[in-house]
Amino acid sequence: KQEVTQIPAALSVPEGENLVLNCSFTDSAIYNLQWFRQDPGKGLTSLLLIQSSQREQTSGRLNASLDKSSGRSTLYIAASQPGDSATYLCLSLGAAGNKLTFGGGTRVLVKP
Amino acid sequence: EAGVAQSPRYKIIEKRQSVAFWCNPISGHATLYWYQQILGQGPKLLIQFQNNGVVDDSQLPKDRFSAERLKGVDSTLKIQPAKLEDSAVYLCASSSSGRQGGETQYFGPGTRLLVL
Repeated sequence: KQEVTQIPAALSVPEGENLVLNCSFTDSAIYNLQWFRQDPGKGLTSLLLIQSSQREQTSGRLNASLDKSSGRSTLYIAASQPGDSATYLCLSLGAAGNKLTFGGGTRVLVKP
Repeated sequence: EAGVAQSPRYKIIEKRQSVAFWCNPISGHATLYWYQQILGQGPKLLIQFQNNGVVDDSQLPKDRFSAERLKGVDSTLKIQPAKLEDSAVYLCASSSSGRQGGETQYFGPGTRLLVL
């Protein structure tokens, strides 16, 4: 059974600092890994999706990497802004049984 | 393009009552997902539909939860009878085909359920 872990559960940084968010998974047989942000009281917004054949994806200030052999994905947010404050979640799509598994999320606060 | 619609946005019921949630996915999306998100946790997949067929319902508590997507478009999730531990946000998402290899999922705003 796939287990997805996000550590730390919460993170606070000053504005302008780069953010590094971690996602670990136990079963490396995945089809893809997706990163989302969730604002309080709202649904999830997709940020980046990395297919298993890819090593990274980039969109603006966001970059996500995937290392299946070590069971890790990292989301980098450059030059953080207060508007980046949200909870960030990763979602793995497992190859075995097509299982979708979310991590517990990292709550980020960017202080002005 | 309209997003995923969900209703109601909030619901308060007493334990042992029944409740139903509705979801209308993005037009043309073949795959629809229902997730349960308990406060402070990541969402847990309850059921995944491909058109009107069930792909995965392994984590759906079938003694009390049911879901249907009769015409392969909108969907209803029902809880009967509700328990205190069912208090959570119920999220609906859709993707265009849901084929293996995966695609971006688009989420609705969720329905917040409180069971007293």
